[in-house]
Amino acid sequence: SQTIHQWPATLVQPVGSPLSLECTVEGTSNPNLYWYRQAAGRGLQLLFYSVGIGQISSEVPQNLSASRPQDRQFILSSKKLLLSDSGFYLCAWTTGGSNTIYFGEGSWLTVV
Amino acid sequence: AQSVSQHNHHVILSEAASLELGCNYSYGGTVNLFWYVQYPGQHLQLLLKYFSGDPLVKGIKGFEAEFIKSKFSFNLRKPSVQWSDTAEYFCAGWDTGRRALTFGSGTRLQVQP
Repeated sequence: SQTIHQWPATLVQPVGSPLSLECTVEGTSNPNLYWYRQAAGRGLQLLFYSVGIGQISSEVPQNLSASRPQDRQFILSSKKLLLSDSGFYLCAWTTGGSNTIYFGEGSWLTVV
Repeated sequence: AQSVSQHNHHVILSEAASLELGCNYSYGGTVNLFWYVQYPGQHLQLLLKYFSGDPLVKGIKGFEAEFIKSKFSFNLRKPSVQWSDTAEYFCAGWDTGRRALTFGSGTRLQVQP
């Protein structure tokens, strides 16, 4: 069966520090991968999506970036975090022919 | 533009009360709609989904939703809630252009015993 894992589960980072959140999917190949963010009091915002290795589409221009170095690996990064980057980050996946998305456990980021 | 809106941000109910959470969509073309639930400390789970056919969709844990095209709505219902239904509920629509889900802002449901 397919599983999705993301880490770390929680982290507290100072303003201006870098960020790296990782996500891997197992049990499937060539998935569509997504990064969503849930900020306090707000809904889920799509940040990035990828339909294949090296193919990243960005929904928000800010100081975040994403990379897909391998088929089932999706990384969310920042060179310098802002206070407004605090939130709950969710990795998700679906197969190319499906429109039902499955979510990882999420990562709580607090920027102080 | 495709969008999904939820008007109830926080709902408080007593056990055994009936539930209806509103969801409205603005879409063109094919409409695929979803309800997800996030229980405290857990990841998002799919409750139910509508692609086509019978507009009344039944999901897990006794939830159902009705797609009403004329009202652009996809409201979530449950006849009798339990304390364990306390969670945040998200309505979402599939954006065929981006091949991604567009979510509403969520509704926090609190069920009091």
